[in-house]
Amino acid sequence: ETGVTQTPRHLVMGMTNKKSLKCEQHLGHNAMYWYKQSAKKPLELMFVYSLEERVENNSVPSRFSPECPNSSHLFLHLHTLQPEDSALYLCASSQEVVGSNEQYFGPGTRLTVT
Amino acid sequence: QKEVEQNSGPLSVPEGAIASLNCTYSDRGSQSFFWYRQYSGKSPELIMSIYSNGDKEDGRFTAQLNKASQYVSLLIRDSQPSDSATYLCAVNEEGGNNRLAFGKGNQVVVIP
Repeated sequence: ETGVTQTPRHLVMGMTNKKSLKCEQHLGHNAMYWYKQSAKKPLELMFVYSLEERVENNSVPSRFSPECPNSSHLFLHLHTLQPEDSALYLCASSQEVVGSNEQYFGPGTRLTVT
Repeated sequence: QKEVEQNSGPLSVPEGAIASLNCTYSDRGSQSFFWYRQYSGKSPELIMSIYSNGDKEDGRFTAQLNKASQYVSLLIRDSQPSDSATYLCAVNEEGGNNRLAFGKGNQVVVIP
């Protein structure tokens, strides 16, 4: 266990559904991240939060909406997704968003869009 | 755009041998370098970080960094079947901001 938890671990949703992914870190870190991992592709950074403030949005479609209510929790709200959005969604945290800090990943949510 | 290349195909090594993985990166100003291990169906697990030129050893793992040649490598000594996984190289951007660029990974298969 890395101290980063994610729920649900698996999610199947239709293209018209709305769902949310949840991430919680118990490490006392100040930075949290959402990544997407698709087959045969490198990890893609989606969003970066530092002390609840979004500091980076890597040109992610608006059907993905992040929320960070405090430094320990991070959500990814999903709506009207496409089948190509099916992937492993990973949450990570690090001590700070600047500097050479190590990132620790949660177990991920395996998302399938039908 | 930052690029992190891990070009080798799947690597098969006999149990007890040394597995050697290489990674090259395009951003000359990169400051920090990481190796993650990812088992099939699991999330990446940080196994090594290196910030200065030279070697860093941690148990059976050794990371080697050469900033002049822009490569970082990972050696796994006395390979065990439990080392069978995909190894991801990650590099942060110039200035030390904690945005990581990942390679596609190298699959290692340790044959008993």
